[in-house]
Amino acid sequence: GAVVSQHPSRVICKSGTSVKIECRSLDFQATTMFWYRQFPKQSLMLMATSNEGSKATYEQGVEKDKFLINHASLTLSTLTVTSAHPEDSSFYICSARPGTGVNSPLHFGNGTRLTVT
Amino acid sequence: AQSVAQPEDQVNVAEGNPLTVKCTYSVSGNPYLFWYVQYPNRGLQFLLKYITGDNLVKGSYGFEAEFNKSQTSFHLKKPSALVSDSALYFCAVRDGRTGRRALTFGSGTRLQVQP
Repeated sequence: GAVVSQHPSRVICKSGTSVKIECRSLDFQATTMFWYRQFPKQSLMLMATSNEGSKATYEQGVEKDKFLINHASLTLSTLTVTSAHPEDSSFYICSARPGTGVNSPLHFGNGTRLTVT
Repeated sequence: AQSVAQPEDQVNVAEGNPLTVKCTYSVSGNPYLFWYVQYPNRGLQFLLKYITGDNLVKGSYGFEAEFNKSQTSFHLKKPSALVSDSALYFCAVRDGRTGRRALTFGSGTRLQVQP
């Protein structure tokens, strides 16, 4: 089945530093990937839609300069949290949809738990 | 706008008993509905989906869900719960009439199955 790999699974960084999270589709090509953020005991909030070869589409309220998204190939999207602060601590999950069928289910990475100290 | 409501934060059920996790949705066009399960510190795993066709949809691990258009609901069910079913369950929707490709998720329901 379709596999989405996300790395790292956990990261602890100091305030002011930047962190890069990678999302790879291992056995399919994904022209579109989605980045979600999940707060403790809360639902997934869509942050942005990552489009291969073009700019990401950010949801309202998400700072594009803080959460840099790069989708340079059909199998890799990266999310960089720049100048991280403790309030950026969260669980970040990427997802992608195999094939061109918009009705096929999203497949999710295992998430990255970011802790900013 | 599309939205999903999961009215129960937690559902408790004894092992072997049937379980239901509730979900209602709101979309302006045709609803594409999904259920996902999340285990601690993990991503989401797909359980089942409704796009069109039979209102009763069967999915992974013995789960099923029934699409009810008049009640705008898509409740998740399983005839006999297992302790290993304990996890966080998310209902999600996409409006088939819009170009928006991302899913909107409900707030999640924690299922606790007691032995």
